[in-house]
Amino acid sequence: KQEVTQIPAALSVPEGENLVLNCSFTDSAIYNLQWFRQDPGKGLTSLLLIQSSQREQTSGRLNASLDKSSGRSTLYIAASQPGDSATYLCAPDKLIFGTGTRLQVFP
Amino acid sequence: NAGVTQTPKFRILKIGQSMTLQCTQDMNHNYMYWYRQDPGMGLKLIYYSVGAGITDKGEVPNGYNVSRSTTEDFPLRLELAAPSQTSVYFCASSYPSRQRQDTEAFFGQGTRLTVV
Repeated sequence: KQEVTQIPAALSVPEGENLVLNCSFTDSAIYNLQWFRQDPGKGLTSLLLIQSSQREQTSGRLNASLDKSSGRSTLYIAASQPGDSATYLCAPDKLIFGTGTRLQVFP
Repeated sequence: NAGVTQTPKFRILKIGQSMTLQCTQDMNHNYMYWYRQDPGMGLKLIYYSVGAGITDKGEVPNGYNVSRSTTEDFPLRLELAAPSQTSVYFCASSYPSRQRQDTEAFFGQGTRLTVV
């Protein structure tokens, strides 16, 4: 049974910092892993999708890495902005979620 | 493409009433999912389906039923609504596959249900 853990559970940082969000999963037999963002009271928005054959994927200030063998993925956010404030969720391909990382970036 | 469409967006039910939350996707995804999210909490999987005619329970299936008669539709049925079912419900679809590159999962915008 797939279980997903995200660390830290919450993060509060000043604007401009580079951030690291961690995701671990127990079943490494996955096709892909996806990172999502959820704003309060809203649905989930896809940020990045990493195929199992890839080691990383980049979109703007976001970079996600995947180490399938060790069951880990990391989301890097460069030069954080207040607009990045949201909950970040990772999910392997069968869409099992952990509780996410709640990020607050203050000016 | 419309993606994943959920209806209704909002609904108020009285205790004991029944209703069906609709979910449709137009991406030919084989996997579809229903989640509930309580205030300040994470997503909990209710039911999922790996294809037409196949459904399976998730973490919190009690009080709900699903069917998957077509690839596109995955309705969630609430029988005898209870206050504990007050939540936001999300539907999602995906196509986990080594062969397909467009395997991104998509979510609907959610249905906010209140049971009074």
